[in-house]
Amino acid sequence: AAGVIQSPRHLIKEKRETATLKCYPIPRHDTVYWYQQGPGQDPQFLISFYEKMQSDKGSIPDRFSAQQFSDYHSELNMSSLELGDSALYFCASSPGGWVAPSYEQYFGPGTRLTVT
Amino acid sequence: DAKTTQPPSMDCAEGRAANLPCNHSTISGNEYVYWYRQIHSQGPQYIIHGLKNNETNEMASLIITEDRKSSTLILPHATLRDTAVYYCIVRVGSSGSARQLTFGSGTQLTVLP
Repeated sequence: AAGVIQSPRHLIKEKRETATLKCYPIPRHDTVYWYQQGPGQDPQFLISFYEKMQSDKGSIPDRFSAQQFSDYHSELNMSSLELGDSALYFCASSPGGWVAPSYEQYFGPGTRLTVT
Repeated sequence: DAKTTQPPSMDCAEGRAANLPCNHSTISGNEYVYWYRQIHSQGPQYIIHGLKNNETNEMASLIITEDRKSSTLILPHATLRDTAVYYCIVRVGSSGSARQLTFGSGTQLTVLP
């Protein structure tokens, strides 16, 4: 079965550089979530999109932005990178809409970002 | 979303049942109980969810108390590959919009050979 695809899997950037992470949801999933997991920490929600519109916003820094495109893939753009941005970034997708009142999220393998 | 309390760690012998408890005493009537797990540095994996009835799938069983203030995830025959952090998450189910998962500290389950 198709899974969530994230690219790149590993990324090394220097301070003050920019980075773009990509997420391709499971086919027919119209909802995408982004999570950040720092070293030794639990995943923290950043932002989500439903039908290409921003739906919920968590603890996402102003330096980060994201969007969902017409084909439902999503990109997380990170500027002015700081050492503290070094983390695993997970994307998850789920079917949304009126299919069911509850639904699980399917996570991708993550992108490991290292800022030096 | 209601807060959950889980033990920080548990051990289980391989081949035995692993019973992971979760307290969610402030759960509301429209909140579901979800379980996810995360094997080291991999993406979290959905296991099971329920509202008030007990649920079973190919991975696990979920037992929810009648007052819904606590639940137990049961892995019937734990294997070494079940070693992971298990997260109990209580969340309102919703339609037509996205609802994020709020991960707490979880339980580190270690399956011993």
